[in-house]
Amino acid sequence: AQSVTQLDSQVPVFEEAPVELRCNYSSSVSVYLFWYVQYPNQGLQLLLKYLSGSTLVKGINGFEAEFNKSQTSFHLRKPSVHISDTAEYFCAVRPPSGSARQLTFGSGTQLTVLP
Amino acid sequence: DGGITQSPKYLFRKEGQNVTLSCEQNLNHDAMYWYRQDPGQGLRLIYYSQIVNDFQKGDIAEGYSVSREKKESFPLTVTSAQKNPTAFYLCASALTDQPQHFGDGTRLSIL
Repeated sequence: AQSVTQLDSQVPVFEEAPVELRCNYSSSVSVYLFWYVQYPNQGLQLLLKYLSGSTLVKGINGFEAEFNKSQTSFHLRKPSVHISDTAEYFCAVRPPSGSARQLTFGSGTQLTVLP
Repeated sequence: DGGITQSPKYLFRKEGQNVTLSCEQNLNHDAMYWYRQDPGQGLRLIYYSQIVNDFQKGDIAEGYSVSREKKESFPLTVTSAQKNPTAFYLCASALTDQPQHFGDGTRLSIL
């Protein structure tokens, strides 16, 4: 079984400042890792994914994340945020193979970008 | 354009009523999923289906039912047995070993 912890439920940040949204996971097997973004009253949109290879993953909208196996973390970063980045962000994991291939989600981090 | 369509966007249910949420995809994905989203709790898996005519319970299946008669369609019925149905419901689909794509959700409220 897997679990995902997003340590911050709310992150306020000023426009053009950098931001880091933290994600830690627990799993007895290797996992694939994902970050999704959700705008109000919409579904989830994939920001980026880590399957294998380089531990630094670049996604859409200028976001990137770094997989750290020893710390079981997959933190999301952006060097300079915009008002339009205000949304809820979800970290998720799933096993690479197996009967279910289900996603396990964290509880989400609400990013609010202030003018 | 391919995608996932959930309808209706807003749905109201009276006490004791069953309601059915629609989810249709034209992405030719084999797997489909239903999630429930409550504030501060992230997404929880209700049911999933990997092939037509087969589906599995997720973590919170009690009070819900599904069917998968066609590859494109995976409707969710919220039965009267579900005591706290007010939530945002999200449908997703995926190809094997690929990330899930999500619909825009249905918000269910109790009158």
